[in-house]
Amino acid sequence: DGGITQSPKYLFRKEGQNVTLSCEQNLNHDAMYWYRQDPGQGLRLIYYSQIVNDFQKGDIAEGYSVSREKKESFPLTVTSAQKNPTAFYLCASSLGLGPQHFGDGTRLSIL
Amino acid sequence: GENVEQHPSTLSVQEGDSAVIKCTYSDSASNYFPWYKQELGKRPQLIIDIRSNVGEKKDQRIAVTLNKTAKHFSLHITETQPEDSAVYFCAASTGSGAGSYQLTFGKGTKLSVIP
Repeated sequence: DGGITQSPKYLFRKEGQNVTLSCEQNLNHDAMYWYRQDPGQGLRLIYYSQIVNDFQKGDIAEGYSVSREKKESFPLTVTSAQKNPTAFYLCASSLGLGPQHFGDGTRLSIL
Repeated sequence: GENVEQHPSTLSVQEGDSAVIKCTYSDSASNYFPWYKQELGKRPQLIIDIRSNVGEKKDQRIAVTLNKTAKHFSLHITETQPEDSAVYFCAASTGSGAGSYQLTFGKGTKLSVIP
């Protein structure tokens, strides 16, 4: 069954800690995305990757980092530099023209 | 950069009635306009999209219309059902090159269909 798998579903971050959110897809899509969703807000783009070994900053990339070493995987690291990390994080993929399929999301909170 | 305004923020309709959600955008270069549905606690789903060379697109009970001159586009849902209750997001992008990957989203409309 094709789709996008995000893990973990819930994540807690301590002060000064980096945490990594996993995103895997088996849709054979070239493009992958990370979005942040805050209550009452639309989705805001953190990073996107059009192909393997390439990625671009989105609107709110500060305090985040990504890698794209494999077509199937696009992990997001929330660094200690991100001072307000509490949010719902969504990973997505597409053949182009913006996200077509989303994962179930990871909810990140601060301890 | 692009700015997308979405109205209304909440909408309640009786089952069987129609619902209309409107979005305006600022960048005249935008030419790709998707709509997403997000049910409570679930992932967003792409439900319909339109390109600027098309004025209207339909898929069963949903339709999207686009007015490039006025820079606005709308989602129309007819014969609403309780399962249509969700938050709907509009988005816009330039739809070509690197810009096609960078959607700007509206803040969402919470639609409630009352049985």
